[in-house]
Amino acid sequence: DGGITQSPKYLFRKEGQNVTLSCEQNLNHDAMYWYRQDPGQGLRLIYYSQIVNDFQKGDIAEGYSVSREKKESFPLTVTSAQKNPTAFYLCASTKTGGPGNTIYFGEGSWLTVV
Amino acid sequence: GDSVTQMEGPVTLSEEAFLTINCTYTATGYPSLFWYVQYPGEGLQLLLKATKADDKGSNKGFEATYRKETTSFHLEKGSVQVSDSAVYFCAPPSGGSYIPTFGRGTSLIVHP
Repeated sequence: DGGITQSPKYLFRKEGQNVTLSCEQNLNHDAMYWYRQDPGQGLRLIYYSQIVNDFQKGDIAEGYSVSREKKESFPLTVTSAQKNPTAFYLCASTKTGGPGNTIYFGEGSWLTVV
Repeated sequence: GDSVTQMEGPVTLSEEAFLTINCTYTATGYPSLFWYVQYPGEGLQLLLKATKADDKGSNKGFEATYRKETTSFHLEKGSVQVSDSAVYFCAPPSGGSYIPTFGRGTSLIVHP
């Protein structure tokens, strides 16, 4: 079955450490997105990519980095510069071009700073 | 540009009660809206899509309707269950240069 796979589901980060969240999709979608969700809050856009080897900052990109070397992969690195990284992270993808496209989400990754 | 306003939650209901969640959408293009649901600890998943004034989407007992006179979309269910407790998001369809954005959603809590 096609879908989006995020890993790990749960991750603990020590102070000053970089961690990378994986996101893989086999839907052949061009566009991929990373969102952050804090408890009781909506989704805030971190980074997005609409084509391989290109990505754009979202609303809260500071302290995060991404790469898009392959169409199916869009990993997110939470750097030590992100002062409050504890949150639920969601990866999503969609087709580009034309209206009416569904957005597909992964199951999410919980990141906790210890 | 397009703008979406979703009703604030939480919405607290007893089992078998009627549910309505509203979403006002001012669209510059063709009006359609997607409803997504997020169960606790999970990602969002598509629940259904509403398009046109007379075209209802339906899934899992939920219906999505569009009221042209108020440019508002409504997610409805005649009899909610405890298992419907989740957060519901409305969002315009993606495509072209549109970047999907989501608000806080509307939290639904259903008591036995």
